[in-house]
Amino acid sequence: GAGVSQSPSNKVTEKGKDVELRCDPISGHTALYWYRQRLGQGLEFLIYFQGNSAPDKSGLPSDRFSAERTGESVSTLTIQRTQQEDSAVYLCASSLQVLANTGELFFGEGSRLTVL
Amino acid sequence: SQQGEEDPQALSIQEGENATMNCSYKTSINNLQWYRQNSGRGLVHLILIRSNEREKHSGRLRVTLDTSKKSSSLLITASRAADTASYFCGANNLFFGTGTRLTVIP
Repeated sequence: GAGVSQSPSNKVTEKGKDVELRCDPISGHTALYWYRQRLGQGLEFLIYFQGNSAPDKSGLPSDRFSAERTGESVSTLTIQRTQQEDSAVYLCASSLQVLANTGELFFGEGSRLTVL
Repeated sequence: SQQGEEDPQALSIQEGENATMNCSYKTSINNLQWYRQNSGRGLVHLILIRSNEREKHSGRLRVTLDTSKKSSSLLITASRAADTASYFCGANNLFFGTGTRLTVIP
């Protein structure tokens, strides 16, 4: 596709349920990032995939959060046993970069998660 | 936790004026990037400045970087109403500040 695609664009769930958020990066982009943005706040880094290297999970806030990426394509962010404080926009970005954390990021429109 | 800070948090100017936003960060960087976010949308890359650069221009944008002070500034000249948005700096694509909300009044 022409850009980074995220789905669903909006998700409303009940506290305690699991949710999966999907990101389709730009074809050929080796790097993929997930961020969380709470209302009126900046971006919080969650996890970073670079090619076939082990992902950088240092930003994941708890063990309820996990993410996978199949090769250099789709990524899924999973939040288990959702809590109200998980309500936020989850942004995915991809980058064509050789060196870690050096490339221009191309962002999706985000998945807005609301936990009731 | 966020390791970047932008100031001011909000800025309101008249169309045609210049807007200056500042960013400070805590970590050592390879590069610093500025992004723009329209309300409720994804971020759009504006400009990248590498750690060995001090100033960079792109159209109406001018970015400076002072690695000794761990700070950067973004200047938008001759602002337009369409520049109204939030502006974020990102250090190494990992650490983003809380953003500056710019309003340009026609």
